[in-house]
Parts: sequence; C-alpha cells; structure tokens
Amino acid sequence: SQQGEEDPQALSIQEGENATMNCSYKTSINNLQWYRQNSGRGLVHLILIRSNEREKHSGRLRVTLDTSKKSSSLLITASRAADTASYFCATDPGAGSYQLTFGKGTKLSVIP
Amino acid sequence: NAGVTQTPKFQVLKTGQSMTLQCAQDMNHNSMYWYRQDPGMGLRLIYYSASEGTTDKGEVPNGYNVSRLNKREFSLRLESAAPSQTSVYFCASSPAGGNIQYFGAGTRLSVL
Repeated sequence: SQQGEEDPQALSIQEGENATMNCSYKTSINNLQWYRQNSGRGLVHLILIRSNEREKHSGRLRVTLDTSKKSSSLLITASRAADTASYFCATDPGAGSYQLTFGKGTKLSVIP
Repeated sequence: NAGVTQTPKFQVLKTGQSMTLQCAQDMNHNSMYWYRQDPGMGLRLIYYSASEGTTDKGEVPNGYNVSRLNKREFSLRLESAAPSQTSVYFCASSPAGGNIQYFGAGTRLSVL
C-alpha cells in the first residue's frame, strides 16, 4: 500500500517560476526522501530530511517536514526546462526496516 | 563509475515463459532491492536483500523469486510470466536500510 501521496499529480509551470509539490503520509517515519525520475530513466535521490528536522536546503531545492501533519513539501525555485521530470517522496519507517515506501509521484512540466 | 547496472533493458515474453533479470552494483552496498513501476502506481517493492545471504518479501512478491548471488549481484526470476507482470522493473542498492537508494536504469518487460 502507498504510504506517501503526492499532490498535485501533475504541474505545469513556466521556466523561472517556482514549483511546489506536497507529500502526505500515514504512519510515523524515521526520514523522508525525495527522488526525481526523468522520462525513461531510473530514480535519482534529491534530498533526505530526518524526522527531527523541519527544513532542509540543497541548491535550488527546499524541503519542509511537518511531522504533526504528516506532510512534506518540495520547493524548486527558479525552475528550468531540465527540471521537467516526475518527483516522488519516499518514507522510511525506521526501526530496522529496509522498506522505503514510495508515493505515486508528481509529474512536473517546465515550459521554456 | 557504473553504479547499478541492469540487464536486459527491454524484453518481450510470451505467457508462461521464464526469465531472469540481472542486477549488479559496484558501490559495495549491503542492501539491494527490486521494484516494479506501473502507470499511476508509483514504485512497489517486490523483494529486498538486507545483506548478502538474506532475502525478504516486499509488498508484491507473488510470481517472483530472487537470488542474492554475492554482495554485488541480485537477480529477479519470473518462473511463468503472466500479462499482469508487464511493467518496468528497477533494481536499487543502498549502504543499509533506510539510507539513500541508488537505482538502475530499469528493464521494460512486456508479457504477451
């Protein structure tokens, strides 16, 4: 069963605009990760945020985590055409689990 | 710097045929995973291997078997392929559970 659910399912923006994607999950987590998948390719890790962190930055990426609401958001600032991809959140329940649970993804299109 | 290598990239099978999907990683990771990705479903874990010599079922293991041949290699076998197994299959590896996962490019399988 899917733990994370991304919102929106699809997002289309102009180059230079910011893109925000949201992820909600159901059970407690050890960490939450965001991955990107370009069309026809494998997933690539973007950023990991631990349950005791509220915000994390990496280049043009900003991730927030609200464990009380069981939700996370991924903000991509000053988007580029090369950011066109699907974005997935994945939750790690911790406690020795090896199972990351992925959401269904948000498909982002950045129009030049 | 190959990372995670999957073979083959594409495969077409007839119902009832068998095949093995190969995966190898050169990052000295302990854990390896097999996922399937279907349209609108995100990634679902089939089997994983926490460490060499161990394998465990994931969310959707029926119809599949796995072998952790050594620390580098983790294969997925379909003994009698069914049309419901038409999917894109991804192998991934990580240093340990809950860590960042590194993905291969995928195998696109069609079962007719």
